Amino acid sequence: GAVVSQHPSRVICKSGTSVKIECRSLDFQATTMFWYRQFPKKSLMLMATSNEGSKATYEQGVEKDKFLINHASLTLSTLTVTSAHPEDSSFYICSARDFRSGELFFGEGSRLTVL
Amino acid sequence: SQELEQSPQSLIVQEGKNLTINCTSSKTLYGLYWYKQKYGEGLIFLMMLQKGGEEKSHEKITAKLDEKKQQSSLHITASQPSHAGIYLCGADNEDSWGKLQFGAGTQVVVTP
Repeated sequence: GAVVSQHPSRVICKSGTSVKIECRSLDFQATTMFWYRQFPKKSLMLMATSNEGSKATYEQGVEKDKFLINHASLTLSTLTVTSAHPEDSSFYICSARDFRSGELFFGEGSRLTVL
Repeated sequence: SQELEQSPQSLIVQEGKNLTINCTSSKTLYGLYWYKQKYGEGLIFLMMLQKGGEEKSHEKITAKLDEKKQQSSLHITASQPSHAGIYLCGADNEDSWGKLQFGAGTQVVVTP
């Protein structure tokens, strides 16, 4: 079964609203999680590094006020897309590393559609 | 920044035949990951390679990292329909373990 879970898997919202996506590590603690964005038929682009107990680190070109990241516990990181617009429609995926094994697991992804 | 080039971009293979996907980095690889993705779904972890010359196998999939740690290959033996999908290689950033740069992906189609 999945060791990193994302919720919701699909969400449709109206333009101007905010959407929260959760990423949970199910049987391990993750002090660091990563958020990626994937456009149709394109590869994954790293958006930000989510750090438990501190501010997220954003990649160049990613608006931190647009994509709010909160990592309040060792098993949960959330990505909030604020004031969503149609161009924010995308597939968002998170990842977390299990330091016991070194494996890096990805969530199932969340497809956001902004109308 | 590190760039990963995957080849081929796509390939069609007849069931039962072998296939190889390559991933070449512009810089030394500190960790190289192979994932499989079906369109619109999450990534399935296949293998992680870290040492030059390392080779790992799981079922019919073998991944290698060359001695210079700048190229990796993924080889599937006797392909099956279940092997169809998009294969992505991802490279660790030397400053942050787990922060991956991905290749563009290789779409694999397996025909009867």
